[in-house]
Amino acid sequence: DAKTTQPNSMESNEEEPVHLPCNHSTISGTDYIHWYRQLPSQGPEYVIHGLTSNVNNRMASLAIAEDRKSSTLILHRATLRDAAVYYCILRANDYKLSFGAGTTVTVRA
Amino acid sequence: DAGVIQSPRHEVTEMGQEVTLRCKPISGHNSLFWYRQTMMRGLELLIYFNNNVPIDDSGMPEDRFSAKMPNASFSTLKIQPSEPRDSAVYFCASSQTGPHYEQYFGPGTRLTVT
Repeated sequence: DAKTTQPNSMESNEEEPVHLPCNHSTISGTDYIHWYRQLPSQGPEYVIHGLTSNVNNRMASLAIAEDRKSSTLILHRATLRDAAVYYCILRANDYKLSFGAGTTVTVRA
Repeated sequence: DAGVIQSPRHEVTEMGQEVTLRCKPISGHNSLFWYRQTMMRGLELLIYFNNNVPIDDSGMPEDRFSAKMPNASFSTLKIQPSEPRDSAVYFCASSQTGPHYEQYFGPGTRLTVT
């Protein structure tokens, strides 16, 4: 499986944007970039995914570099409820989600 | 929809006992996944079912673990006999079939084997 690299942790202030980077230099042309997050004591939940173009949904935005070797998840206005572990996952054209260690996001009030 | 339902939410058992974890996927989803999460190994896929048929069980740790999906609305993960190293949070997830569909996770079962 192609690997991703994320910072171990990030801190943010409430109502400020959070930019979560992810490096995936060995990404293949058919790999989709998926983001999931896991709130404390809960199962992971889907956040967003994309292939080449930037994507927006109600939860976040995903900015994908032109060479696709990196991407950034953007939480536009962090709230305390956004404190979680965020996983960046490369997903080939199949069912597998391989979770790494993720980035632990702390939001300060 | 109630989402993916797992039971029990917590299970404490003694080494050597049989443990059965249960999962009800979201109606209409024909892919089902069992994951295990520990501090040491993170989230690992144990087994994947599609249309009630096990497709990939390469993540099942050993013969003590077995999983079934007798119908589209129910799956079990059984550990017999259980060992302390099986202590973990076990998640069930379901999705529609296809690589672009998100997986919906249940709340998990926290298993403690003493």
